[in-house]
Parts: sequence; C-alpha cells; structure tokens
Amino acid sequence: SQLAEENSWALSVHEGESVTVNCSYKTSITALQWYRQKSGKGPAQLILIRSNEREKRNGRLRATLDTSSQSSSLSITATRCEDTAVYFCATDYGSSGNKLIFGIGTLLSVKP
Amino acid sequence: ETAVFQTPNYHVTQVGNEVSFNCKQTLGHDTMYWYKQDSKKLLKIMFSYNNKQLIVNETVPRRFSPQSSDKAHLNLRIKSVEPEDSAVYLCASSYRGRDTQYFGPGTRLLVL
Repeated sequence: SQLAEENSWALSVHEGESVTVNCSYKTSITALQWYRQKSGKGPAQLILIRSNEREKRNGRLRATLDTSSQSSSLSITATRCEDTAVYFCATDYGSSGNKLIFGIGTLLSVKP
Repeated sequence: ETAVFQTPNYHVTQVGNEVSFNCKQTLGHDTMYWYKQDSKKLLKIMFSYNNKQLIVNETVPRRFSPQSSDKAHLNLRIKSVEPEDSAVYLCASSYRGRDTQYFGPGTRLLVL
C-alpha cells in the first residue's frame, strides 16, 4: 500500500499563478521529500523537510510539514511553463533508511 | 548536469527474451537503487545496493536480478521478459542510503 500520496492526480494553472500540491502519509517519518519529474527525465529533488521542521523554502518553492496531521504541501508561486511536470512526495521508513516510498504523483500543467 | 547515466535509453524486445540495463554514477555515492515506473507514473523501488551489497530487495519476480561490480555501477538483468515488464526503469544513487537520491534519465522497456 502507498505510504505517501498526493491528493490530486492533476492540476492546471496559468503562468504567473500560484499552486499547491498536497501530500499525506501514513507512518512516522524522519523526513519528507518533494521531487519533480519532467517529461523524459528522472525525478529531481526539490526540497527535503525533516520531521522537526515546519517549513522549508527553495526559491519560488515552499514546503510545509504537519506531523500531527501527517501531511505536507508544496507551493509554487509565480509559476512558469517550465514548471510543468509530475510532482511527487516521498517518505522514508523512519529510521530504517535506504528506501523511499513515493506518492502517486500530481501532474501539474502550467499554461501560457 | 547528468551524473547518473543509464543505457540504453529505449529497448524493444519480445516476450521471453533476456535484457540487461546499465547504470553508472559519478557522484561518489555508496548506495544505488533500481526503480520501476509504470505507465501511470507510479514509482516503486525494486532493489538497493550499498557498497556492492544488496540491502533492499522488494518483492519482485525472480527473473529480475541486479548486478553490482563496484559501488559506481549497478546493472539490472531481466531473464525471460513478460509484457507486464514494459515500463521505465530508473536508476538512482545516494550517499549512505539516506536523504536525497539522484536519478538517471531512465530506460524505457517495451515488451511485445
């Protein structure tokens, strides 16, 4: 079963708008990661947020983590066409490491 | 900048054939992974190697076998492929099996 999953299959916005992708998970974690996968490429990490952190930023990206509700969000401001990709959240198995469980992914389309 | 290299990019074969995919990383990492990504973009870990030793072996058919010659290389062999093996196979690496994983571009396999 999926231990991490995004809450939307697909989102569509226009350039310049902001968008948020949500993720929920079902076990205790040491960290949650957000990855982006563009067409024909492998996933690339965007942000890693640890269980003792509530927010992390990376340029136009902002990730939040709520361990009480076991959820995370990734917000993108001032979206660009090149932000079009599949966004995944991924969690570890707590202290076991060596294995990431990826969510089902959210396809974000940014239109001109 | 690509630091995890996979060959081939694309492979078409027939049911029952044997295929082999190569992966090399130049990041100096000690842990490497194979993931399978299906047509719905679902990403699942198959194997993980740390310093040439198998540390994660998810429930995959026995026809799949990873091969590691050194910590920079992790190949994947599939004996007698089946139609359900059609997918993108992604190789990744990390340091000490934790946190950020760096992915290659993937090998797309089509089994006819």
